[in-house]
Amino acid sequence: GNSVTQMEGPVTLSEEAFLTINCTYTATGYPSLFWYVQYPGEGLQLLLKATKADDKGSNKGFEATYRKETTSFHLEKGSVQVSDSAVYFCALRKTARQLTFGSGTQLTVLP
Amino acid sequence: EAGVTQSPTHLIKTRGQQATLRCSPISGHTSVYWYQQALGLGLQFLLWYDEGEERNRGNFPPRFSGRQFPNYSSELNVNALELEDSALYLCASSSVGQAAYEQYFGPGTRLTVT
Repeated sequence: GNSVTQMEGPVTLSEEAFLTINCTYTATGYPSLFWYVQYPGEGLQLLLKATKADDKGSNKGFEATYRKETTSFHLEKGSVQVSDSAVYFCALRKTARQLTFGSGTQLTVLP
Repeated sequence: EAGVTQSPTHLIKTRGQQATLRCSPISGHTSVYWYQQALGLGLQFLLWYDEGEERNRGNFPPRFSGRQFPNYSSELNVNALELEDSALYLCASSSVGQAAYEQYFGPGTRLTVT
């Protein structure tokens, strides 16, 4: 079946540091890939997406590239801010519409 | 444009009781999805409704059920509550066609079973 493996957290960084959160997936064919963010006490917000191989999703300084050859969709940001502190979820969508999520990575950015 | 709304925000029930959670999708969205976010279990897909019909369900027992109304709002019912049903229940909605790839989430209902 489909599955998503995410980098274990928590991750703690200083402001302006470089961020990478690893995400790899298992699925047949060509799933769509997503990153969602969950701020404290809130629901999930779609951060970025990619629907085919080599697509790069980007939003708010975050980027992720759909790598079919390595079945990966790593999230990166060049310079994190305190306001980026949240839980980040990698997810895929193959058939039947439902999303399969990774376990989430807690990010804390210190001033 | 109003986002996905859920009610109530918090719900406290006793084991064995029934819980009803409600969701209103974004205007124009016809699909509603329910997910459970339980501590230590991550986010798991529960149910998908589209045009009033249940289209798919996740690996949950039949006491988790729901429905979608003609205005596309949805209810999730959990019968015979168990302690392990305590979780954040998230509702999401999506549009049709290519836009169906994007699901927009509500803030969730926190269900506590004592």
